[in-house]
Amino acid sequence: DADVTQTPRNRITKTGKRIMLECSQTKGHDRMYWYRQDPGLGLRLIYYSFDVKDINKGEISDGYSVSRQAQAKFSLSLESAIPNQTALYFCATSGGTVHSGANVLTFGAGSRLTVL
Amino acid sequence: QKEVEQDPGPLSVPEGAIVSLNCTYSNSAFQYFMWYRQYSRKGPELLMYTYSSGNKEDGRFTAQVDKSSKYISLFIRDSQPSDSATYLCAMSEASGGSYIPTFGRGTSLIVHP
Repeated sequence: DADVTQTPRNRITKTGKRIMLECSQTKGHDRMYWYRQDPGLGLRLIYYSFDVKDINKGEISDGYSVSRQAQAKFSLSLESAIPNQTALYFCATSGGTVHSGANVLTFGAGSRLTVL
Repeated sequence: QKEVEQDPGPLSVPEGAIVSLNCTYSNSAFQYFMWYRQYSRKGPELLMYTYSSGNKEDGRFTAQVDKSSKYISLFIRDSQPSDSATYLCAMSEASGGSYIPTFGRGTSLIVHP
């Protein structure tokens, strides 16, 4: 099984619908992240969490929310999806200190979301 | 201007060529430098990890950091079609922050037989 599992892998939805993307990990890492990837724009950080009680906004959090249900689970929600949220979404994890891997991310395989 | 600049390509080379991929950055506090490889329809995977300036070699791959010029490179020797992927540079600070890496936009590499 993958270290970082994202579901669903592909989703097509309509404008205004609520969408949840789920992420679970078996790495035992404390830190979890959600990114979106768009052609030409690279990876952009949406939200991140350093432990279950810690949630932080990234550079593009508007229109998104997250929930850290457990150390191993971090979900991303789009309350009312819009077409410009069509993108590839990645969950990632990291652990330890900066000298032992806190800045090294392990990514899931991605969730491709299309909003019509 | 983004903190990390990376030419998106695509870069197309024949099999066996030496490939040079590069990133420039503006934040002099960056101390850790990484290269990730991302195959189509997959998540990025860590390829190389270096601290501060200098070179690091791993098989056909060499990562080079020049902090004085704020410039990092990834060299691929004897490139293979299986090296065709997007390569993302990433870098992070060593203290006083969250250590979350800042990514370049990625360079698409195509190695044709």
